[in-house]
Amino acid sequence: QVQLQESGPGLVKPSETLSLTCTVSGGSISSYYWSWIRQPAGKGLEWIGRIYTSGSTNYNPSLKSRVTMSVDTSKNQFSLKLSSVTAADTAVYYCARDYCSSTSCYDDTYYFDYWGQGTLVTVSS
Amino acid sequence: QSVLTQPPSVSGAPGQRVTISCTGSSSNIGAGYDVHWYQQLPGTAPKLLIYGNSNRPSGVPDRFSGSKSGTSASLAITGLQAEDEADYYCQSYDSSLSGFWVFGGGTKLTVL
Repeated sequence: QVQLQESGPGLVKPSETLSLTCTVSGGSISSYYWSWIRQPAGKGLEWIGRIYTSGSTNYNPSLKSRVTMSVDTSKNQFSLKLSSVTAADTAVYYCARDYCSSTSCYDDTYYFDYWGQGTLVTVSS
Repeated sequence: QSVLTQPPSVSGAPGQRVTISCTGSSSNIGAGYDVHWYQQLPGTAPKLLIYGNSNRPSGVPDRFSGSKSGTSASLAITGLQAEDEADYYCQSYDSSLSGFWVFGGGTKLTVL
């Protein structure tokens, strides 16, 4: 059973960079897409971006200028950096696996089948 | 403002049937893209409920079903149970801008 675990600082100061890591256990990180998704308190889900184990990335256009993702296959980990944070970036951050069960996979056929438990990141001075 | 529109709340008595709608546009659901659904129990991470419009992962009861038509999709829950009280989110792909994955705003299901 694949398990994901987010880790990183729970408090980040405004204008600084939020950094989170997701550790994958129970399976290999290779040959999958991996996403970051966030949820402000009492609000809905927002997809931040995804990374393939080759390092190829896709980012939400609304966050693209501030987001960087990376992957370390040797550690079975992938990471998120979000720069110039403000209070609006305060949220629970989830990592998730993108999966496609079809024989032919297209962008829309991917869904999130495994999720981490989430980690709360607060932006405050 | 979410790209996919869901009703903020729905409710039903135990044993009843409820549906949750998810309305999109020509750049997402209307483009023929798949819709997936997630259930989020209070204080927990979302859980995959329906994928590819109408498919259930193993372990999801057949009381949950999904459908899609035109620019909308629906999640139906029959034989409502107290444990179904949760937030439900639809998700699809949007081809506008450079393309990205989008969620609905979520629907709170209350079991009366």
